[in-house]
Amino acid sequence: DTAVSQTPKYLVTQMGNDKSIKCEQNLGHDTMYWYKQDSKKFLKIMFSYNNKELIINETVPNRFSPKSPDKAHLNLHINSLELGDSAVYFCASSQGRLAGTCFFGPGTRLTVL
Amino acid sequence: GDSVTQMEGPVTLSEEAFLTINCTYTATGYPSLFWYVQYPGEGLQLLLKATKADDKGSNKGFEATYRKETTSFHLEKGSVQVSDSAVYFCALSGMTGAGSYQLTFGKGTKLSVIP
Repeated sequence: DTAVSQTPKYLVTQMGNDKSIKCEQNLGHDTMYWYKQDSKKFLKIMFSYNNKELIINETVPNRFSPKSPDKAHLNLHINSLELGDSAVYFCASSQGRLAGTCFFGPGTRLTVL
Repeated sequence: GDSVTQMEGPVTLSEEAFLTINCTYTATGYPSLFWYVQYPGEGLQLLLKATKADDKGSNKGFEATYRKETTSFHLEKGSVQVSDSAVYFCALSGMTGAGSYQLTFGKGTKLSVIP
């Protein structure tokens, strides 16, 4: 069984479109994250939710909106996509707010044309 | 704020060579330290961790020791294999302004091992 799953794995879309990426974890963790990895492999946290409550919201354009319907899911919706949004987006989860051992999903490669 | 600096790659080694990837950090308090590995086309996996000074994390032949005096957590392996080819990330878990914790990653070091 996959611990942290994301869909879709690849996403190719035009500038200006709105898209969503879904994430689910079956580890029973209470904290979930979204990370962005750029073309140089640099990883930066975007958001963190603990028990469906937003606890970290880094400097991210408000075109990005996370939604956590329950502890096992954290979806990422992106409005008005821009070329610079092209990256690999990773969902992750951990138990507790200490951000210790994180389990990462396989990533969603977003390409904006 | 917290930061992690690791040696820039790419690093290319022959099989059975000794590996060192340097990592130093800046943080307030006493962070936990981690090495994550990303194999091609996959997400990150935890390789090893250390939660306090002088702790040694180890896994799959890799080791790293938490050195508070030098604020370092260098990754080592005595004999690398082709299957170790991946990108390695050093990271720390530090407190944010909001009182929660987050992982701060280094920029990653790509390792290629040739037969």
